[in-house]
Amino acid sequence: SQQGEEDPQALSIQEGENATMNCSYKTSINNLQWYRQNSGRGLVHLILIRSNEREKHSGRLRVTLDTSKKSSSLLITASRAADTASYFCATGLSGGSYIPTFGRGTSLIVHP
Amino acid sequence: GAGVSQSPSNKVTEKGKDVELRCDPISGHTALYWYRQSLGQGLEFLIYFQGNSAPDKSGLPSDRFSAERTGGSVSTLTIQRTQQEDSAVYLCASSLKTSGTHEQYFGPGTRLTVT
Repeated sequence: SQQGEEDPQALSIQEGENATMNCSYKTSINNLQWYRQNSGRGLVHLILIRSNEREKHSGRLRVTLDTSKKSSSLLITASRAADTASYFCATGLSGGSYIPTFGRGTSLIVHP
Repeated sequence: GAGVSQSPSNKVTEKGKDVELRCDPISGHTALYWYRQSLGQGLEFLIYFQGNSAPDKSGLPSDRFSAERTGGSVSTLTIQRTQQEDSAVYLCASSLKTSGTHEQYFGPGTRLTVT
């Protein structure tokens, strides 16, 4: 079964606006990762946040993690047309599993 | 350095034929994963190799699917007697398990079409 689920499934915004995507998961995790997938390509790792962290930044990306709500959010500020892609969260489960489990993704379209 | 490579990039095959998909992970990465992604869907885990340990085959959808990893490096995913529902993009990823982050590096995928 899917461990992480992204919300919304699709998001359409104008260039310059901020984009927020959410991820919910069901069981305990030791880390959560966000990936981007451009159409027809493989996934690219964006950022990892550990279960003892609450917020992390990388360039225009801001990730938050709320383990009490079992949720994470990815914020892309000042979006660009090049940010158009699908975004996936992947959870690393507690208990030693090294198989990150991916959600279905959020499809983001940034209109120039 | 070189990333994860996969071949072929596209494969069209007739129903009932066998296919082999190849993955070359990043040198030194001990963990290798195969995923399947159907159109507009998330990633479905298939199989995981870690060093010399027995692979985790829990995601393989049927006994028509098998994979091996020779010498701890190159991996081949084999699908026997292909069916139309096997059509998907097959993604391979590798990671440096000992990094503690389990960040995965993905190949570009093989798009399989079964006619």
